[in-house]
Amino acid sequence: GDSVTQMEGPVTLSEEAFLTINCTYTATGYPSLFWYVQYPGEGLQLLLKATKADDKGSNKGFEATYRKETTSFHLEKGSVQVSDSAVYFCALKGAGTALIFGKGTTLSVSS
Amino acid sequence: NAGVTQTPKFQVLKTGQSMTLQCAQDMNHEYMSWYRQDPGMGLRLIHYSVGAGITDQGEVPNGYNVSRSTTEDFPLRLLSAAPSQTSVYFCASSLAGTEAYEQYFGPGTRLTVT
Repeated sequence: GDSVTQMEGPVTLSEEAFLTINCTYTATGYPSLFWYVQYPGEGLQLLLKATKADDKGSNKGFEATYRKETTSFHLEKGSVQVSDSAVYFCALKGAGTALIFGKGTTLSVSS
Repeated sequence: NAGVTQTPKFQVLKTGQSMTLQCAQDMNHEYMSWYRQDPGMGLRLIHYSVGAGITDQGEVPNGYNVSRSTTEDFPLRLLSAAPSQTSVYFCASSLAGTEAYEQYFGPGTRLTVT
């Protein structure tokens, strides 16, 4: 069945460092891909999405490109801030409505 | 517009007790779902519904019941709580269908079963 694999955390960075969180997927057909973010004590919020190959999703300085050839959707940000500390989830949506999530990657940014 | 609301925020149960976690949304979304979040496991789908009167099982449905009598509400029932059900539970809603609609999540219910 469909699945999402993302890099294990935690990821610890200093402020203004470059961030990459890897995400790869297995799916039949052409799923839509998402990154959700969970701040401490809160529910998940959509960060960005891409619906077809070579689409780039972007929001709040974060970017991810849908790469069909490598079945990947890596999350990047050029300069992280302390306020970016959160748990990041990669997810896919296949033929149905349900989202399939990766296990989450915890990011901690220190000043 | 409150979005997705969940009650209670915290709950402690003894093994064998039953309870209902409440979820409501005011966005007229057809699709609603329940996830549990456990350390190192991500979010796993328990049950979902694509409209009033229609529910289906997700990845981890055992020990849980749902019903959908209205578009707005989607309660999750624990029939006989077990320590393995200690988790954080999230309700989510979205428009239904094949488009990449955003799912909106509630703030979660943290459940401890002793």
